[in-house]
Order: sequence, then C-alpha cells, then structure tokens
Amino acid sequence: ETGVTQSPTHLIKTRGQQVTLRCSSQSGHNTVSWYQQALGQGPQFIFQYYREEENGRGNFPPRFSGLQFPNYSSELNVNALELDDSALYLCASSPWTGANYGYTFGSGTRLTVV
Amino acid sequence: GESVGLHLPTLSVQEGDNSIINCAYSNSASDYFIWYKQESGKGPQFIIDIRSNMDKRQGQRVTVLLNKTVKHLSLQIAATQPGDSAVYFCAETLNKGGSYIPTFGRGTSLIVHP
Repeated sequence: ETGVTQSPTHLIKTRGQQVTLRCSSQSGHNTVSWYQQALGQGPQFIFQYYREEENGRGNFPPRFSGLQFPNYSSELNVNALELDDSALYLCASSPWTGANYGYTFGSGTRLTVV
Repeated sequence: GESVGLHLPTLSVQEGDNSIINCAYSNSASDYFIWYKQESGKGPQFIIDIRSNMDKRQGQRVTVLLNKTVKHLSLQIAATQPGDSAVYFCAETLNKGGSYIPTFGRGTSLIVHP
C-alpha cells in the first residue's frame, strides 16, 4: 500500500507566475484535501475534492484552484503568485469525504516565490 | 499550544521524562479531535484521536485528555524519547454536510534532550 506522494518536493517561482502542484492519493482513498502551511504555523485548509468536484473550500482567493482526476489524484494550481504564497503545500487523502479517520498527509511541496 | 508567527511555544524535556502538550480549540460544536506529529521536512502524522463523547483515550505511550467545558485538549507522552522531538498539532473537526475537515491549531515544538 503506497502513501500519499507529492511532486515536486521543492520549487522556486517568480511573483506573477503560475504553478501546478501534484498529489497522488493513498491506495483506496477517494478524497483529497489541500493545505497551506506557512513557516511556524499550522496547516490551513484550502479545499477538498471528492468525485472530481470541489467539496468544501477555506478562506483562499479564486486564484487557488484545483482538479481531481478519475484515479483520485489531484492538482493544485495557483495563478498570479504573490510573495506570501511561499509555504509548504500539503496534500491529504482520506477514504471518503465523511471519514473522520484515516486522514493521511504527504510530505508536501515547498514553494518559494521570489 | 498557541503561537504567533515564527515563535512556536516550545517544550524542552529530558529523555525519559513525561511530556504534556496543551491545546485550546475554538468550536464548541467540534465532535472529533486529532493530535498530529510533524517532523522536519515531513507532513503531519496521525498520533491519536478522541471523540467528543469521551474525555480520555490511551494509546501506546500517549494519552489524550479532552475537557469540553473549557475547550481544552492535552497530549501526554510517557517516557519521552529523542525520536519524539517534533512539532505537535491538535486539530478539531466538525461534520459539515457529511465532510470532516480538520482545522489545525498552531503547534507546539517538543525538544527532547538525551
């Protein structure tokens, strides 16, 4: 059984650019959630995807968008990058949207915006 | 376990001591709570959980206590080991239309001295 894998592990972008981060969910998990973790802070919920549709969203602007694919993998897209978008982006998968257990995190993508 | 900016609360203990990490949660309607451990360069890892209809739950070397009256959680780690050094987060979850989405606190850094 594989865990949650994220790619890339690190990347550096310039302010104003666009970025796509990728996540493969754990085997048997069909729900994917994305979190942003700024340095020294707890993870902040961005949005959740279930059955290829957004199923809940945190307090993030529309330039943060996502996709979920039929194999349950997911992408996080951020347009018009700002310096404050520099953070660790975490993906978590869970067995189903109503599960309050089995929430498994990947190791994250460290994004630096310069 | 509250913090602002880069200055996480820090708990320093000697190897073999017992550790107690505290957390205040915000929503009295939250019905499920989780403690996560996050090591440097990794995503949060599940430690133990507790439902709101319980006030204590024990795992291997860890115990979680829940006080709903004052909206307080604690994580007790027995015989702390250097490998326990990490940042610890509590998370509260609330069932929103069938979705459980953990909301994280700001974390406490545990440093275990050999």
